[in-house]
Amino acid sequence: EPEVTQTPSHQVTQMGQEVILRCVPISNHLYFYWYRQILGQKVEFLVSFYNNEISEKSEIFDDQFSVERPDGSNFTLKIRSTKLEDSAMYFCASGGTDQETQYFGPGTRLLVL
Amino acid sequence: KQEVTQIPAALSVPEGENLVLNCSFTDSAIYNLQWFRQDPGKGLTSLLLIQSSQREQTSGRLNASLDKSSGRSTLYIAASQPGDSATYLCAVRPPDKLIFGTGTRLQVFP
Repeated sequence: EPEVTQTPSHQVTQMGQEVILRCVPISNHLYFYWYRQILGQKVEFLVSFYNNEISEKSEIFDDQFSVERPDGSNFTLKIRSTKLEDSAMYFCASGGTDQETQYFGPGTRLLVL
Repeated sequence: KQEVTQIPAALSVPEGENLVLNCSFTDSAIYNLQWFRQDPGKGLTSLLLIQSSQREQTSGRLNASLDKSSGRSTLYIAASQPGDSATYLCAVRPPDKLIFGTGTRLQVFP
């Protein structure tokens, strides 16, 4: 069964460093998403991406964040200068249409020291 | 602003019990509602998707209902098993994104 994959599974970084989180969505999907979950809190929407552009972003997704689909298979989230409060589990998701089931990857646990 | 609430926050039941998890949302303008399961430290596994025009969906021992006008959904788990122990999340979908509740942490003991 096709699945969303994410790398790395864990990342530890120093405050102020740049990180890139990688995702490979399900191959025939067109809609891509990033969410995050701070420990003990709700899963929160960050950004949605369709047709090579951002379709919606939350207040969390400020200028420090960017997304890219550099080729036909990868979808990346870049955090330019990490802060302590960026420590969270980051989930990538994809969907065939904007109304169907979103399928989530296993997440990347980011720890900013 | 859409708010999603789940009660109870935690539930502990003996194996074999039937149980109901509740989800409520404040804005009925949704495309669909999705129930997920999350195991500790893991990703989200989609369980059921109910479109806004539907009243319920079933998968195995799981049944989810949706009453859009009253802003409520329930997830019914029949004959619970220890393997059902996890956190259950509901999420509503206005256009595009998902808005999640805080989840119900379920423990089923033998």
